[in-house]
Amino acid sequence: GQQVQQSPASLVLQEGENAELQCNFSSTATQLQWFYQRPGGSLVSLLYNPSGTKHTGRLTSTTVTKERRSSLHISSSQITDSGTYFCAMDLNNNRIFFGDGTQLVVKP
Amino acid sequence: NAGVIQTPRHKVTGKGQEATLWCEPISGHSAVFWYRQTIVQGLEFLTYFRNQAPIDDSGMPKERFSAQMPNQSHSTLKIQSTQPQDSAVYLCASSLVDGTQYFGPGTRLLVL
Repeated sequence: GQQVQQSPASLVLQEGENAELQCNFSSTATQLQWFYQRPGGSLVSLLYNPSGTKHTGRLTSTTVTKERRSSLHISSSQITDSGTYFCAMDLNNNRIFFGDGTQLVVKP
Repeated sequence: NAGVIQTPRHKVTGKGQEATLWCEPISGHSAVFWYRQTIVQGLEFLTYFRNQAPIDDSGMPKERFSAQMPNQSHSTLKIQSTQPQDSAVYLCASSLVDGTQYFGPGTRLLVL
C-alpha cells in the first residue's frame, strides 16, 4: 500500500498567503524529509525533520512521529515558491519512500 | 562542494541498446542511492549502497538493471536491452550515514 500520503494534491495561493502541506505515513519513520522540485528541476532538500519542529527561513516543519504525520508550513508565499513539494520517509534502512507530492502554484 | 554529479544529463537510446548512467557522490558521503522519476509512477527507489556495499536493491527491476559502486567516488546504473518503459529521469543521491540525502540533477533517459 501507499507508504506516504500527501495532501492536498494541489494548492493555488495568492502571493503573500500561507500554505500548509500535510504528510501522513503508514509506518514509524526514522527519517522524515521535505523536498522541493521545480518543473524539470532536481530535488532540493528543504528540511530534515524526523521529529519535533524545525524552521528554516519561511518554512516550518512539524513532525509528530507517534501520530505518523508531518506538516510543512510556508509563510508569506512567493511566486518563486511554486513547484512540487515532496514528503519522504524511511523505515530505518535508509530506503526512502516518497509521497506523490503537492503541487503549489503561487499567483501574483 | 560541487554537489552530486550525474552524467550524462540527457541520453537517447534505441530500443534494445544498453545505457550506462554515472553518479559521483559528494565527497565523504558514505551512502549512495538511485531513484527514478516518471509522471505516472512518481519517485521510485531503485537501490542503495553504503560504504560501496550494496544494501538494498529491492526496487530494481530484476532483469536488465544492475548497479555497481566500484569505488567511493562513483556509482553506475546500467540498463541492458532498454525498453520504452525505461524512459524516466534517473536520480542519484548521496548522504552521510543517517543523514539528509542530497540529489544530483538527474539523467533524463529517453528510449525510442
